[in-house]
Amino acid sequence: ETVLTQIPATLSLSPGERATLSCRASQNVYNYLAWYQQKPGQPPRLLIYDASNRATGIPARFSGSGSGTDFTLTITSLEPEDSAVYYCQQRNDWPPITFGQGTRLEI
Amino acid sequence: EVQLVDSGGRLVRPGGSLRLSCVVSGFTFSDSAMSWVRQAPGKGLEWVSGISNSGASTYYADSVKGRFTISRDVSKDTLYLQLSSLRAEDTALYYCAKVLEVPGWGYYFDYWGQGTLVTVSS
Repeated sequence: ETVLTQIPATLSLSPGERATLSCRASQNVYNYLAWYQQKPGQPPRLLIYDASNRATGIPARFSGSGSGTDFTLTITSLEPEDSAVYYCQQRNDWPPITFGQGTRLEI
Repeated sequence: EVQLVDSGGRLVRPGGSLRLSCVVSGFTFSDSAMSWVRQAPGKGLEWVSGISNSGASTYYADSVKGRFTISRDVSKDTLYLQLSSLRAEDTALYYCAKVLEVPGWGYYFDYWGQGTLVTVSS
């Protein structure tokens, strides 16, 4: 099973700043990694898939990079509405599909 | 507009059974693989089960294998999850999720239901 470790657990930033969230896989997942945003009381929302492809309707402020075992979600020009928990997820080595434990972003 | 409406969650005693349903609309159900993902209160996301678009292939997390069964009824545009031998650790919000259609092996999830709460307690 591929374990995904997200760093940091919590990130506190101000509006207009840049957020950098990391996800490290316990083994090579190539580019088969996605990022989700989850706000309180809502289901997750797909942001990025295959490491760097933005999902439909996702603003260009959200970008993903990386391959192999190290991945990054970058959010530029932070807005208060970006406050959420962000999860990474891999689809290379499955079942099971696995998620990281999440990074809480506070704006 | 794509919609997934999940239901069926309730309070159930340990060892009990339950069936969750997810009615979908806004896309061709028979073209899409589907999954269930759960989230224990205050915790992260855990993939539970998946089913291919045809229903011929099913997949399970080890934590539920042999206890849960995923199925689909194309005539009703409905995904199901049969839960049995329930344990306290199965308490969670259960989401149905549509699989994003992209090349390659494995699943990402592009649409989610609002979730249905299963509580296992005596």
